[in-house]
Amino acid sequence: EAQVTQNPRYLITVTGKKLTVTCSQNMNHEYMSWYRQDPGLGLRQIYYSMNVEVTDKGDVPEGYKVSRKEKRNFPLILESPSPNQTSLYFCASSLGRLQETQYFGPGTRLLVL
Amino acid sequence: GESVGLHLPTLSVQEGDNSIINCAYSNSASDYFIWYKQESGKGPQFIIDIRSNMDKRQGQRVTVLLNKTVKHLSLQIAATQPGDSAVYFCAARVNMLTFGGGTRLMVKP
Repeated sequence: EAQVTQNPRYLITVTGKKLTVTCSQNMNHEYMSWYRQDPGLGLRQIYYSMNVEVTDKGDVPEGYKVSRKEKRNFPLILESPSPNQTSLYFCASSLGRLQETQYFGPGTRLLVL
Repeated sequence: GESVGLHLPTLSVQEGDNSIINCAYSNSASDYFIWYKQESGKGPQFIIDIRSNMDKRQGQRVTVLLNKTVKHLSLQIAATQPGDSAVYFCAARVNMLTFGGGTRLMVKP
């Protein structure tokens, strides 16, 4: 089954404690991205990757890092989480960089205390 | 850049009626549009898309209408069912996709 998986699905952490949210897709998609979703603000792109070792900032990259060492994986790293990073995070992938028919993961709900 | 907004935060319809969800975008250079459905606790799910060289596209029980003159996009759902209850949002692309905030569709039995 074609899918995007994320782990963990729920995470409670404290300010400053580094964390990683994993994302994996099994569709051999080149394009992957991370979004955060906050009430009233819609989905906002954090980072995206057009292919292995190619990453770029989205609209709200501050406080986040990503890496793309393999085509299928695109982890999101919060080196020093802060309460304003409490949000619902989605990983997504699409075949091409034009983001058409983008598939989303199930989401990771993060609470930073 | 691009900004995308939905006209109503909540829409309540009777089961069996048709639903219309509206979306406005700001940039006339937008060349591609998508509608997503997001159920509680799940990630957004692709419903239907349309390119700017079209003004209408139909899927199974859904139709997307694009009016480039007024920069307006709508999603029509025929014979709305309880399973259609979700948040719907549109996205418009100028190089990258920009997403709207979402309209919650509630279906009354």
